[in-house]
Amino acid sequence: SSELTQDPAVSVALGQTVRITCQGDSLRSYYASWYQQKPGQAPVLVIYGKNNRPSGIPDRFSGSSSGNTASLTITGAQAEDEADYYCNSRDSSGNPYVVFGGGTKLTVL
Amino acid sequence: QVQLVQSGAEVKKPGASVKVSCKASGYTFTGYYMHWVRQAPGQGLEWMGWINPNSGGTNYAQKFQGRVTMTRDTSISTAYMELSRLRSDDTAVYYCARENIAVNNWSVNWFDPWGQGTLVTVSS
Repeated sequence: SSELTQDPAVSVALGQTVRITCQGDSLRSYYASWYQQKPGQAPVLVIYGKNNRPSGIPDRFSGSSSGNTASLTITGAQAEDEADYYCNSRDSSGNPYVVFGGGTKLTVL
Repeated sequence: QVQLVQSGAEVKKPGASVKVSCKASGYTFTGYYMHWVRQAPGQGLEWMGWINPNSGGTNYAQKFQGRVTMTRDTSISTAYMELSRLRSDDTAVYYCARENIAVNNWSVNWFDPWGQGTLVTVSS
């Protein structure tokens, strides 16, 4: 099955811009979706498709994709953005599976 | 509003089975695939499989084949995930999540909403 690779941890200064990346062969065929998870809570969708935000997600969250890499960008990171972020896509190995990245812990300094 | 509500925490002994429920409301239950994802303590998200609530068809991650069974009861808009022959490393929070697919673009899918999670603890 396919795999999605994320950096385990990223930090950003308050108010600055941070990019979280996700790499995998499946991203050449399928769009990634991104989820924010805070301690003790269920994941919450923040970006899906080319660059779509569900209602209620601040516009400082954006997504992009190029080749085998999808990115989640937070422009003007806030303290409340500190969380784990997971990418996800369909599996491109021919199985009707789904894959998740290992997650990125974002620290806002 | 669209919502998934899961059953409560469970404590099981090794070798036992557990069945977690996920009750959907606010949308047509049979119109969306339901997926199950688990998260061991301090670990990432792990996809387990999906069920098509309309047909009852299922697809399971290879890791869980033979141990997991996903079912549904359309009369009460509820999906179930049963995991058998439990081991200590099955201790995790189990989530259900509704899959959404973009109209006319199967390459765009996303999970929303998610259930609140069900903690399953396997301990002797």
